[in-house]
Amino acid sequence: SQELEQSPQSLIVQEGKNLTINCTSSKTLYGLYWYKQKYGEGLIFLMMLQKGGEEKSHEKITAKLDEKKQQSSLHITASQPSHAGIYLCGADGNTNAGKSTFGDGTTLTVKP
Amino acid sequence: NAGVMQNPRHLVRRRGQEARLRCSPMKGHSHVYWYRQLPEEGLKFMVYLQKENIIDESGMPKERFSAEFPKEGPSILRIQQVVRGDSAAYFCASSPSDWGPAQFFGPGTRLTVL
Repeated sequence: SQELEQSPQSLIVQEGKNLTINCTSSKTLYGLYWYKQKYGEGLIFLMMLQKGGEEKSHEKITAKLDEKKQQSSLHITASQPSHAGIYLCGADGNTNAGKSTFGDGTTLTVKP
Repeated sequence: NAGVMQNPRHLVRRRGQEARLRCSPMKGHSHVYWYRQLPEEGLKFMVYLQKENIIDESGMPKERFSAEFPKEGPSILRIQQVVRGDSAAYFCASSPSDWGPAQFFGPGTRLTVL
């Protein structure tokens, strides 16, 4: 089965700093998704990447997919306290896309 | 247009009792997925259902756990004779089709077994 490893496990940054979270897959990625979760709440879908080299941005968050490396990175520019939370990557094996495998998450703390 | 709804949000049960978790998918969505998130761990797939059918239950424990998604009404995840190890957050997600990421997650039900 596919496994996703996220790094780092946790991250504390000063407000205004940039940061990167990585997600590495043990198998070929057919689709890679990023979610954000706040404690006590459900997941908020951020973006989906499907093609090698694809890059998507939403406000100050940019995600890239390196298909060859079976890896995706999530980059936040000029972090704000509102970015704090747990970021999870998810991926599909091939079919039944909703049956996703998730990484263990990266907990982001942004200090004002 | 309401999102995915789950209830209850918090559920406390004593060992040996039954827990029933409900999930109402978004309007128009006929695909429902249940995930479990244990403390300090990531989300783990449990079961995938369409109306009246279990499509994939490969992530569901073989005993005590069952799920259904009837023609009418919410999807139900049922845990019989709960044990402390069942304490977790249970999330439901819905999708309009079986392709594409599960974009719509419910807020989760946090089950605590005393």
